[in-house]
Amino acid sequence: GAGVSQSPSNKVTEKGKDVELRCDPISGHTALYWYRQSLGQGLEFLIYFQGNSAPDKSGLPSDRFSAERTGGSVSTLTIQRTQQEDSAVYLCASSPGLAGLSYNEQFFGPGTRLTVL
Amino acid sequence: AQKVTQAQTEISVVEKEDVTLDCVYETRDTTYYLFWYKQPPSGELVFLIRRNSFDEQNEISGRYSWNFQKSTSSFNFTITASQVVDSAVYFCALSELNTGGFKTIFGAGTRLFVKA
Repeated sequence: GAGVSQSPSNKVTEKGKDVELRCDPISGHTALYWYRQSLGQGLEFLIYFQGNSAPDKSGLPSDRFSAERTGGSVSTLTIQRTQQEDSAVYLCASSPGLAGLSYNEQFFGPGTRLTVL
Repeated sequence: AQKVTQAQTEISVVEKEDVTLDCVYETRDTTYYLFWYKQPPSGELVFLIRRNSFDEQNEISGRYSWNFQKSTSSFNFTITASQVVDSAVYFCALSELNTGGFKTIFGAGTRLFVKA
């Protein structure tokens, strides 16, 4: 596709369940970012990937959160044992990475709205 | 450590007024990038502008202009003759070259309401 896509667009889950959120970056973009945006709040950095490696995981809120990226493309953000405070919109962005003139301009997906009951 | 402060939580103006959104940043790096993004009611963030730390030249793009001042660590955004379609949340962001890539920190955002 032409832009960053995320699935599902909405996810409602029960407290304690695990969820997986998927991000498909723009083809050829080597950098991928995950953010969390709580209702009416700014963007909270979670993690970024350069290729398949994640140099900085410091933004992950707890060890219930993990992310992986395979093949330098699709990324999955997993939240285990979800809590109500995990309810937010999870945004994914990609950028060309260290190559290209606009290497750190980020292109955002539409987000996944997660609701934990 | 990186930090971006957008002190204005919400601004309300009447159409055709000029409005300035403030952004103050903190960084220990000498090489960094500053951004503004717009998040309209539809939700998807849209890139507006990027500035690197070595280029303090101000930029104008149509009704939008940006004032980058390293001396005050500020990167303010002005909309001239605002329009209802400018209503959105605007985020300022700071990106530093980190190990293997760029880590970007966003400010809390400023919600702009433009009334007809």
